[in-house]
Parts: sequence; structure tokens; C-alpha cells
Amino acid sequence: GAGVSQSPSNKVTEKGKDVELRCDPISGHTALYWYRQSLGQGLEFLIYFQGNSAPDKSGLPSDRFSAERTGGSVSTLTIQRTQQEDSAVYLCASSSTGGLAKNIQYFGAGTRLSVL
Amino acid sequence: QKEVEQNSGPLSVPEGAIASLNCTYSDRGSQSFFWYRQYSGKSPELIMSIYSNGDKEDGRFTAQLNKASQYVSLLIRDSQPSDSATYLCAVNSGNTGKLIFGQGTTLQVKP
Repeated sequence: GAGVSQSPSNKVTEKGKDVELRCDPISGHTALYWYRQSLGQGLEFLIYFQGNSAPDKSGLPSDRFSAERTGGSVSTLTIQRTQQEDSAVYLCASSSTGGLAKNIQYFGAGTRLSVL
Repeated sequence: QKEVEQNSGPLSVPEGAIASLNCTYSDRGSQSFFWYRQYSGKSPELIMSIYSNGDKEDGRFTAQLNKASQYVSLLIRDSQPSDSATYLCAVNSGNTGKLIFGQGTTLQVKP
């Protein structure tokens, strides 16, 4: 596609429910990133996929969070047993390389998650 | 100590003035530096990238990098009301493509 696509754009859920957020990166981009942005805050790194390498999960805040990337393209971020503090905008980005070299990340429009 | 620090602002400048935004970082191994602009309710969009010490100019924007002092700045010349947004400084982590973001500086350009 022309840009990074995320769905849904908005998600309202009840505390304790599981949610899945989807990201479809720019075609041909090998690296995919998930970030979280709480109200009025900067972006918090969650997880990073680069090609077939093991993902960098160092930013996941708890074991309730997991992500997978199927076929090197679409990624799903899953939050189990959601809590109110999980409410945030979840942003996905992709880049043409994941290495050091000057990769530029392009962001999707985000999914706004509200946990009631 | 935060890894990437920015003054949250708001920074208020009159239309036509120069806006100066600053960022410091802690990881001396970082080699890629970015400025993203984020309008309220929107996702970040890249406005500048810089990889070498010195200045890099693109239209009204100039990015400045000083690795010895571990700071990167963004100058916006002839500021316009449409420049009013939050500016996020991002620095790559170590030898990876992972970005660490600052909290952002809110810029207000008053007509």
C-alpha cells in the first residue's frame, strides 16, 4: 500500500478483555516497529521486527503484551486482560531497513485504545 | 536520567521569527537523529534527519548535530502559524534501528 495502515482506528474495550491491533506496513519494508503514546507524552518503544530475525521485545511493559509478524508483512499486537493504564494511542511504523543505516520510519495513523 | 531530553514548552514565537528547538541524548553510540512533527491527534511525520556533525538545511528547517556535546537542534526560520505543533526528537538506540523519542516540545507560532 501507499502508507502504513493500522486498524482499527479506535477501539473501546472493557477492563480484562483481550484486544488485537493490526499493522500493515509499507510494501517492501523489512522492519516494523510498535510504539505507544500516552496522552501528552512522547512515543514509548514496544517491539521491533527486522526481517526474519528474532524480534526485539525489550520495550514490552508486561507479559500481557505480545506481537507477531506473519510472512514478514502484517503484524498484530495483542494485549491480554487489558487494564485502564493500557489506554493510549498505539502507533506502528515501518522502514526499508532495520539496521543502523539511516533508516527512516514512516508511521501509521495509530489505533486509539480506550479501556473502560 | 532520560535517554532523550527535550524541553516540553510551550515555546511561543511570533510569526516570522526563528524557532529554536533543542534535544540532548545520552547514548554516545547513537548515529541517526531525527526530528518529527506531530499535529494534535495525528501521527508523527518526519521533517529532518541528520547523521553527521554540523548543519543540514532543508527549506526553512535547519538541523544541527554536535555529537561531542550530545545535542541536536532544529531551527525553523520564518515561523508560520501552520508550524504550531509538537516536535519530537528521536535518536537511534545503539547499533539498531530502534528509535528513542523525547517527550516533545510544543511550539506555538502566534500571528
